[in-house]
Amino acid sequence: RKEVEQDPGPFNVPEGATVAFNCTYSNSASQSFFWYRQDCRKEPKLLMSVYSSGNEDGRFTAQLNRASQYISLLIRDSKLSDSATYLCVVRSGGSYIPTFGRGTSLIVHP
Amino acid sequence: NAGVTQTPKFRVLKTGQSMTLLCAQDMNHEYMYWYRQDPGMGLRLIHYSVGEGTTAKGEVPDGYNVSRLKKQNFLLGLESAAPSQTSVYFCASSTTGRGTEAFFGQGTRLTVV
Repeated sequence: RKEVEQDPGPFNVPEGATVAFNCTYSNSASQSFFWYRQDCRKEPKLLMSVYSSGNEDGRFTAQLNRASQYISLLIRDSKLSDSATYLCVVRSGGSYIPTFGRGTSLIVHP
Repeated sequence: NAGVTQTPKFRVLKTGQSMTLLCAQDMNHEYMYWYRQDPGMGLRLIHYSVGEGTTAKGEVPDGYNVSRLKKQNFLLGLESAAPSQTSVYFCASSTTGRGTEAFFGQGTRLTVV
């Protein structure tokens, strides 16, 4: 079982829609959680960190459920520019090496 | 700020040739990483370093070697390239804090023919 799992999608949604992604992780000792965004043929970039209490950044909301070992990303009022791959990242253990999920593809259409 | 810089950005190798990918960061980060990204496989860790002079194996280390002689540089070597090493290679760096993000270079597209 892969340490970090995501539904690869693609999620194909119209502009203005609300879309949610989930990510599950297997290591209960995981300490830090992130969502990264990767545009086609570009490097991954941090979208937002995920805090235990949940956090929001504009149209984006991230939540962590330690008991069920998953994190989620909610995007409201989707824009065409949100089209990208969203990577779930978990850091575990003493060295906190980032482990990536395979990514979820989002396509927002007019 | 340059951040993380990878050299080269593109390369075509013949099977059996060797090459070195260079990663340089100017953020004084302790940790550096090499990942490869293949379609449908996501980012997989090849090797990483938690400080100058130290290296460790990641998930897919076979066929690669690394060195971290200077804190700001992390080199990835392919001694005898194989077609299975055709991939996009990303270098990243981060501080030691568990909640801090990793910063990525722009990637190296390597094709082995």
